[in-house]
Amino acid sequence: QQQVKQSPQSLIVQKGGISIINCAYENTAFDYFPWYQQFPGKGPALLIAIRPDVSEKKEGRFTISFNKSAKQFSLHIMDSQPGDSATYFCAAKKGGSEKLVFGKGMKLTVNP
Amino acid sequence: EAGVTQFPSHSVIEKGQTVTLRCDPISGHDNLYWYRRVMGKEIKFLLHFVKESKQDESGMPNNRFLAERTGGTYSTLKVQPAELEDSGVYFCASSPSLNYGYTFGSGTRLTVV
Repeated sequence: QQQVKQSPQSLIVQKGGISIINCAYENTAFDYFPWYQQFPGKGPALLIAIRPDVSEKKEGRFTISFNKSAKQFSLHIMDSQPGDSATYFCAAKKGGSEKLVFGKGMKLTVNP
Repeated sequence: EAGVTQFPSHSVIEKGQTVTLRCDPISGHDNLYWYRRVMGKEIKFLLHFVKESKQDESGMPNNRFLAERTGGTYSTLKVQPAELEDSGVYFCASSPSLNYGYTFGSGTRLTVV
């Protein structure tokens, strides 16, 4: 049973375009939703995170949109750059737990 | 500040053999986590140490896996005996306190043949 479902599995965009990655979750006890970026040969690195008391959080070109009623959250990468090419993971964590539940990941390729 | 260091970066072993993975967390980080990603699947939680104590080991797949963190510093994850389905990338992460973002290591790619 997959608690966090991520889509699409892969995405190819042109430089300057918008990349959108979607995640859906089942457990309403989740209260922390981070996104991780992973480059080949490296571990996942925290990119941006949101808690359910806000509907949107923006950091530079990266924005998380959160829809509590739909149990969905998404990552938008504006003005995508070739250096953004990586695998992106959404995740979720319950209050009182330190265990992260990850989505399957999405490989983003940004063409120059 | 040095990051989370994992050793070895790659390991290829035969089914039935024993392998020990090591993780050196960021100095001063009391919380240490092990995760695993089997090819094509999501990254899954294995266990969480606070200093030398196992806080949550609910993700350990079976008793062939043994994790230790002697003295609350580095940690080892031993797989004995290894099976084919144990192949994957094993990640270690650390954090200075609870409810704080993790820093992941680069992982150990384990291949059991």
